[in-house]
Amino acid sequence: AQTVTQSQPEMSVQEAETVTLSCTYDTSESNYYLFWYKQPPSRQMILVIRQEAYKQQNATENRFSVNFQKAAKSFSLKISDSQLGDTAMYFCAFFSTGNQFYFGTGTSLTVIP
Amino acid sequence: GAVVSQHPSRVICKSGTSVKIECRSLDFQATTMFWYRQFPKQSLMLMATSNEGSKATYEQGVEKDKFLINHASLTLSTLTVTSAHPEDSSFYICSARTGLGHSPLHFGNGTRLTVT
Repeated sequence: AQTVTQSQPEMSVQEAETVTLSCTYDTSESNYYLFWYKQPPSRQMILVIRQEAYKQQNATENRFSVNFQKAAKSFSLKISDSQLGDTAMYFCAFFSTGNQFYFGTGTSLTVIP
Repeated sequence: GAVVSQHPSRVICKSGTSVKIECRSLDFQATTMFWYRQFPKQSLMLMATSNEGSKATYEQGVEKDKFLINHASLTLSTLTVTSAHPEDSSFYICSARTGLGHSPLHFGNGTRLTVT
């Protein structure tokens, strides 16, 4: 089975600053997909960014970018110019041909005004 | 696009009764739907995976006779909590994907179930 590890249960960042959330995973597969989801207090799961493992270029979505290190099995999320609305739980997720998503335990991010 | 509607958002029921939660993909056909349970400040725990027209695959430890899942069409899956007990109180989230290799999960808004 695949495992996804988020080693930072809680983090905080000052508004307008940059923060990086870490995620590592364990798999023997070569082709897979990685995602970051955000869950604000409303509890709606929102897709933040996705990365295909066969692509070497790191994905970016506006203020959100990833640092994908395939050999190290690392998939960190960088949030630039943090905003109050970024306060949420962030989940890293792994998906492969087994048709299952595996979620990490989550990182609770608080943006401080 | 890719909207998943989950209903109801909140439900309170008495112990021993059954509750049905609906999950609909509004603008796409969902070949696979997933049901998760989430405890406060914890991650999503996969309960079962359902494919349209076939029986759901339950995760180890999830009672299939208690959590009945039906996926009768490509746009609708239902989770019925039968003979609910207070320990079934939780947040239940459905999600769906189109089946394409890189398509992400699209989530419903979740259902807060309280069993009194």
